[in-house]
Amino acid sequence: GDSVTQMEGPVTLSEEAFLTINCTYTATGYPSLFWYVQYPGEGLQLLLKATKADDKGSNKGFEATYRKETTSFHLEKGSVQVSDSAVYFCALSVRQGAQKLVFGQGTRLTINP
Amino acid sequence: NAGVTQTPKFQVLKTGQSMTLQCAQDMNHNSMYWYRQDPGMGLRLIYYSASEGTTDKGEVPNGYNVSRLNKREFSLRLESAAPSQTSVYFCASNNREGNQPQHFGDGTRLSIL
Repeated sequence: GDSVTQMEGPVTLSEEAFLTINCTYTATGYPSLFWYVQYPGEGLQLLLKATKADDKGSNKGFEATYRKETTSFHLEKGSVQVSDSAVYFCALSVRQGAQKLVFGQGTRLTINP
Repeated sequence: NAGVTQTPKFQVLKTGQSMTLQCAQDMNHNSMYWYRQDPGMGLRLIYYSASEGTTDKGEVPNGYNVSRLNKREFSLRLESAAPSQTSVYFCASNNREGNQPQHFGDGTRLSIL
C-alpha cells in the first residue's frame, strides 16, 4: 500500500541554521505530495504542496521538490527561526474520489535562539 | 472565520462508555474526514465522507461509526470505548475538486481509562 517515511526526530537546530527534513514515499499511482505543520495545541496547516514530478512547492521560506526518480519530497529552509519550532508532517494523496491523505510519522523541530 | 470546529476539546471516558465527537465546517466544503493521531505514527484516516450522504472506511475504522448529518457536520461515534482508542482526533474538510488542501480543526484529546 501507499506509505510515507520521514526522517526521525526530534531535530534541534540553532537559529539561522539550514534545515532539511527528509521524506520518501511509496505509491501505486501518481500522488500529490504535501508538507503540513502543526504548532503546539493546534491542528495541522498546509505548508506547501506539489502535484506532479519536478514541481517545487514553496511557502514562508520553506521549499520542497517532487522527485519522482528518487520518490522523495525533502523539506528545506535556508535560515530557520525560533517561530519555526513545530511538528512537520509529510503526506501523499492518490486521487480516488475523496483526497485520502497518508501521513508520515512527523518530525518535531526545535529551534534554539 | 471559524473554519473547522471540533467539540469537545478534551474528554475522559471509562472503558465501555460511548460518546460522539462533533465536527462542523463553515467553508461549504463537500468532503470531510476523521483522523486519529498517535505518538510516532502520524495521522491515520478513520472514516471519510466524499460528499453529503456518503461515508466510507479509512485505514483504521474498527470501533467507530460516523454520520454525515448535513453538508456542514460530520460526527464520529465510539459505541464502547476501549483504552486503545485513547488518542487525539482531528476532523478535516476540503473540496475534492482540484485536489484542494484539507483544513483541520484543533483536535479533541480523548483519554479512555
